[in-house]
Amino acid sequence: NAGVTQTPKFQVLKTGQSMTLQCAQDMNHEYMSWYRQDPGMGLRLIHYSVGAGITDQGEVPNGYNVSRSTTEDFPLRLLSAAPSQTSVYFCASSPDRGSGDTQYFGPGTRLTVL
Amino acid sequence: AQSVTQLGSHVSVSEGALVLLRCNYSSSVPPYLFWYVQYPNQGLQLLLKYTSAATLVKGINGFEAEFKKSETSFHLTKPSAHMSDAAEYFCAAVNTGGFKTIFGAGTRLFVKA
Repeated sequence: NAGVTQTPKFQVLKTGQSMTLQCAQDMNHEYMSWYRQDPGMGLRLIHYSVGAGITDQGEVPNGYNVSRSTTEDFPLRLLSAAPSQTSVYFCASSPDRGSGDTQYFGPGTRLTVL
Repeated sequence: AQSVTQLGSHVSVSEGALVLLRCNYSSSVPPYLFWYVQYPNQGLQLLLKYTSAATLVKGINGFEAEFKKSETSFHLTKPSAHMSDAAEYFCAAVNTGGFKTIFGAGTRLFVKA
């Protein structure tokens, strides 16, 4: 199993550009989520999904869109990038909807918005 | 709202010394609690978790944590630090039946030779 994969590893955008961060998992996990990590703030939940076709907002959803058309993929879209979105983005998945499940994290995407 | 507080953004210990990383949560109902570790330029990995079974939880690499409801705490300990333990550690909580995980700000552990 590859686990949770994320592409790209690094990205530089200009203000106003849009892009999609890709996330895929091959473990048949129901639950997937996106976090951003900023210094001194830990990880903050952006959006999550409890199954194909079902998504919901986390703590910091503004400026981001998600969709979940398959169990495997959970892309994160930046609609119009802003410097405040400079961060490291992590995708995670867990086996079930149960809240006691371990989350498995991808290696992250480091995004810089100029 | 649920929150997770980690006391100390940086902790420094000598190799062989006790490691103690502190975590407190705020919730009227005890949540599920987790400790994750992040090595440089990597994603997070689970160290251990509390899901309302035993209050003393043992994890990987010799770490353990004790859930104390009266103190709303879930501190992480390891009797003897190793150089390879140098990393950032995150405490996290999710309400039972909920889907949103709340992370603490993280504690970076330094281990001196």
